[in-house]
Amino acid sequence: TQLLEQSPQFLSIQEGENLTVYCNSSSVFSSLQWYRQEPGEGPVLLVTVVTGGEVKKLKRLTFQFGDARKDSSLHITAAQPGDTGLYLCAGVGRDDKIIFGKGTRLHILP
Amino acid sequence: NAGVTQTPKFQVLKTGQSMTLQCAQDMNHNSMYWYRQDPGMGLRLIYYSASEGTTDKGEVPNGYNVSRLNKREFSLRLESAAPSQTSVYFCASSEGTGVSETQYFGPGTRLLVL
Repeated sequence: TQLLEQSPQFLSIQEGENLTVYCNSSSVFSSLQWYRQEPGEGPVLLVTVVTGGEVKKLKRLTFQFGDARKDSSLHITAAQPGDTGLYLCAGVGRDDKIIFGKGTRLHILP
Repeated sequence: NAGVTQTPKFQVLKTGQSMTLQCAQDMNHNSMYWYRQDPGMGLRLIYYSASEGTTDKGEVPNGYNVSRLNKREFSLRLESAAPSQTSVYFCASSEGTGVSETQYFGPGTRLLVL
């Protein structure tokens, strides 16, 4: 059974600080997606990474896919209150099945 | 464009009752999905439909049935609701036929089974 472990589960930091959240598995994925979900809404796709070692940037957010395509990280620079939310990673396996991690709940204090 | 819409937004059922959750998308997408989201469990795929007329089981299909009524609409039916089906249900759609495509999610249906 494929599993995606996200860490930390919860993170509360001050505005302006940097942070990194992780998404790890023992399985290899053909692609990995990161979503952000706000209370009462559905998840919204932030980025998809496909190639091992790939790095993508979205303003202050930097996403990296591990060389072996088993793990990924999301780094936020100078966090802002608008970054508050639930961050989900989702891996797509070679069998074209998708699994989601349990998420990291991020709270940025003003 | 409304994107993905879901009805109802909230529902309370008694054990054994049945209900259908409705989902519609106006993006002319080929694939549609039903997920459930439980605290501490993340999102889990219930069923998906890669094209009109086809449906496939996901990770947790037991207790549910689906119908891809046409390209726009994908419904999820609970024939005999159980407390374990208390959850938030999300419908999603994507343009292509693979789960690696960008999925657009609806706002969710919050279901409580007593």
